[in-house]
Amino acid sequence: SYEVTQSLSVSVALGQTATITCGGDNIGSKYVNWYQQKPGQAPVLAIFGDNSRPSGIPERFSGSKSGNTATLTISRAQAGDEADYHCQVWDSSTGVFGGGTKLTV
Amino acid sequence: QVQLQQWGGGLLKPSETLSLTCAVYGGPFSGYFWSWIRQPPGKGLESIGQIFHSGSSYYNPSLKSRVTISLDTSKSQFSLKLRSVIAADTGVYYCARLSYCAEDCYAFDFWSQGTLVTVSS
Repeated sequence: SYEVTQSLSVSVALGQTATITCGGDNIGSKYVNWYQQKPGQAPVLAIFGDNSRPSGIPERFSGSKSGNTATLTISRAQAGDEADYHCQVWDSSTGVFGGGTKLTV
Repeated sequence: QVQLQQWGGGLLKPSETLSLTCAVYGGPFSGYFWSWIRQPPGKGLESIGQIFHSGSSYYNPSLKSRVTISLDTSKSQFSLKLRSVIAADTGVYYCARLSYCAEDCYAFDFWSQGTLVTVSS
């Protein structure tokens, strides 16, 4: 079965740019979605289709892909961005999630 | 705005059956997949399976032998049954809408608040 990997944690200074990565075999050929999950809350879709933002998600959030790595970039990081971030791809008729990355601001 | 509200679960003993139901409000039921996702304590998300409004379903192979997802289109509700639960089934269970975003692109765009399910003797 397909596997998606994420680093456990990322730290960023207030106002700086955070980058969270997601890896997987030939992930360049798959669409990647990103979810933000704050403590005790349900995940929220932040990026879909590699780089599209749902309504209500700030422009500070962007997605990209290069080679076997997908990246979620959060510009001008705020205290409220502190959360777990999960990447997800679609493979063999199911959603496959990475283990999640804890972002500390 | 689409809202999903779920109920059921709670504290179960090993070998019992977990039952959860999710109701959809504020948006169409037809034309979408409806899914169940779980999250063990302190861990990542795992897709359990999904069902299309027509009734066709798909289950995570690791859970397929124990899972049934069904729906009641007249009530805009769908349900999860997980049989013979074990301690490893403990976690928060979410229902979510699965939306098509492109060929081979599906995203979970609306989620319920989640329910903690604990399996313990």
